[in-house]
Amino acid sequence: QKEVEQNSGPLSVPEGAIASLNCTYSDRGSQSFFWYRQYSGKSPELIMFIYSNGDKEDGRFTAQLNKASQYVSLLIRDSQPSDSATYLCAAPSGAGSYQLTFGKGTKLSVIP
Amino acid sequence: NAGVTQTPKFQVLKTGQSMTLQCAQDMNHNSMYWYRQDPGMGLRLIYYSASEGTTDKGEVPNGYNVSRLNKREFSLRLESAAPSQTSVYFCASIVRGTGPLHFGNGTRLTVT
Repeated sequence: QKEVEQNSGPLSVPEGAIASLNCTYSDRGSQSFFWYRQYSGKSPELIMFIYSNGDKEDGRFTAQLNKASQYVSLLIRDSQPSDSATYLCAAPSGAGSYQLTFGKGTKLSVIP
Repeated sequence: NAGVTQTPKFQVLKTGQSMTLQCAQDMNHNSMYWYRQDPGMGLRLIYYSASEGTTDKGEVPNGYNVSRLNKREFSLRLESAAPSQTSVYFCASIVRGTGPLHFGNGTRLTVT
């Protein structure tokens, strides 16, 4: 079973700070990685995806991928209380796989 | 623009009862998925359908059956519900195998 690991948290950061969320994966064949945000009682929503090594920026969010270290991270700059949610990392179970494996999620709290 | 629609939103069953969770997507997506989400366990894949006419087991298929009725619809059936199947169930779809998932709003199922 391919694994995606996340620190469950909770991770608390003050408003305006940078939140750093981390994820490791076991399958070296994984080619694409996804970050989802899930508010309590709601369904997951996609916020970022990354396919290539390096950084990908979208507004206040930056995804970082290091395939050699099998590590993907999400940085949230200028964190807001509305960013308080659980963040899920996901990767396909192998290259071209139709199965997407999720980490257990990191709960982020942004303190006003 | 409905996206992925799940019914019902809430359901309470007694042990041994059966029911079918319905899912439909209007995005012309090829692949559809059923996940369950339990506290501390993250999202776990039950079954998926890579394309119309095909279904495959995921990580936790025992106690469930699925039907890909057509390209739009993918149903999940519990033949004899057990308390261990108390969970939140999410249906999701993808354009093709390694793209980002689009989730429905979920079905909260309680089995007593």
